[in-house]
Amino acid sequence: AQTVTQSQPEMSVQEAETVTLSCTYDTSENNYYLFWYKQPPSRQMILVIRQEAYKQQNATENRFSVNFQKAAKSFSLKISDSQLGDTAMYFCAFSKASGTYKYIFGTGTRLKVLA
Amino acid sequence: SQTIHQWPATLVQPVGSPLSLECTVEGTSNPNLYWYRQAAGRGLQLLFYSVGIGQISSEVPQNLSASRPQDRQFILSSKKLLLSDSGFYLCAGTGAGLWTDTQYFGPGTRLTVL
Repeated sequence: AQTVTQSQPEMSVQEAETVTLSCTYDTSENNYYLFWYKQPPSRQMILVIRQEAYKQQNATENRFSVNFQKAAKSFSLKISDSQLGDTAMYFCAFSKASGTYKYIFGTGTRLKVLA
Repeated sequence: SQTIHQWPATLVQPVGSPLSLECTVEGTSNPNLYWYRQAAGRGLQLLFYSVGIGQISSEVPQNLSASRPQDRQFILSSKKLLLSDSGFYLCAGTGAGLWTDTQYFGPGTRLTVL
């Protein structure tokens, strides 16, 4: 069975600084996807970034980038130039690359950006 | 732009009353659809998912049921609500965005059972 672990329940960062959120996972699958979702106070889940496991290149989306280490089963999210609007809960998720696309979510990291 | 719709946004219901939450998807055909529940300050719990019309899989035995009467419509129901059914309910669907194999979420329904 797959598991996803986020070991940092809460983090804070100063505005304009860089912060890295950690995520590790366990799977015996070779093809899969990894995701980071942001849940602001409105509680809607917003897709931040998506990584295909068979791609070596780390995904990036504007100020958001990942460090995907397949052998180590690590998938961290780096937020550069943090903004107050980045304050949210961040969830890491795993899905197989076929079938039902059900997700295994981590428990989340609450990020607070300080002015 | 938002392509997963949920209503109502907020609902307050007495214990023992019925429930019907609706989710509809725009801009894609034959999506996989999912219902999640989230308690305050907690993670997401998958309740049901559907890979096609009339095909429902339950993840957690509980007081709720789901139906998919149309390709892009997913309904969460209960005949008699319990206090423990309170929470934030999120609907998600694949294909409602850039990637067909990625889940995109609706705005959610906040349910309070009194």
